[in-house]
Amino acid sequence: QKEVEQNSGPLSVPEGAIASLNCTYSDRVSQSFFWYRQYSGKSPELIMSIYSNGDKEDGRFTAQLNKASQYVSLLIRDSQPSDSATYLCGAGGNNRKLIWGLGTSLAVNP
Amino acid sequence: GAVVSQHPSRVICKSGTSVKIECRSLDFQATTMFWYRQFPKQSLMLMATSNEGSKATYEQGVEKDKFLINHASLTLSTLTVTSAHPEDSSFYICSVPATSLPPRDTQYFGPGTRLTVL
Repeated sequence: QKEVEQNSGPLSVPEGAIASLNCTYSDRVSQSFFWYRQYSGKSPELIMSIYSNGDKEDGRFTAQLNKASQYVSLLIRDSQPSDSATYLCGAGGNNRKLIWGLGTSLAVNP
Repeated sequence: GAVVSQHPSRVICKSGTSVKIECRSLDFQATTMFWYRQFPKQSLMLMATSNEGSKATYEQGVEKDKFLINHASLTLSTLTVTSAHPEDSSFYICSVPATSLPPRDTQYFGPGTRLTVL
């Protein structure tokens, strides 16, 4: 059974702090990894994609991938209250499907 | 990113009726679309893969006769919830996997349809 695991949280950080979200995956064949943000009552929106080991930065977001450890993370710098949402980790599977984690709830406190 | 639309955004129906939800890929042709269901405070659950011109592929435990999927064109897939019951009340979301658009393997989600069955 291919799985993606995330800590459900809630993760609570003060405004301006760094939020660190983590994800592990079981399928070593996965080559693509994604972080989506989902606000309550809305559909997921893509935040970051990463395909190679190392870090990938986009504004306040940094995705990190370690294929040897089967580990993906998302760092959010200078966290804002508007970052409060559920963050979904997805790993590429067969037939263009994504294997989803259960999501981590993030609360950024003003 | 690519634009995916869904219609309706919200629907309330009586128990026993059928409801059709449309998903349209506005930016590129899609031979494959995915249908998800999400209950409150739970994660996405993949229901089925919609395949243009052929039968949909359903995930284990999803009743294909209850959730009818039609992918009649390269830009439109429909999900029909037949004989809906209150337990079918959920948030239904479609997604379109990126093919020619980067980043590769990305899925672009529609805005979702909130179904409430009375």
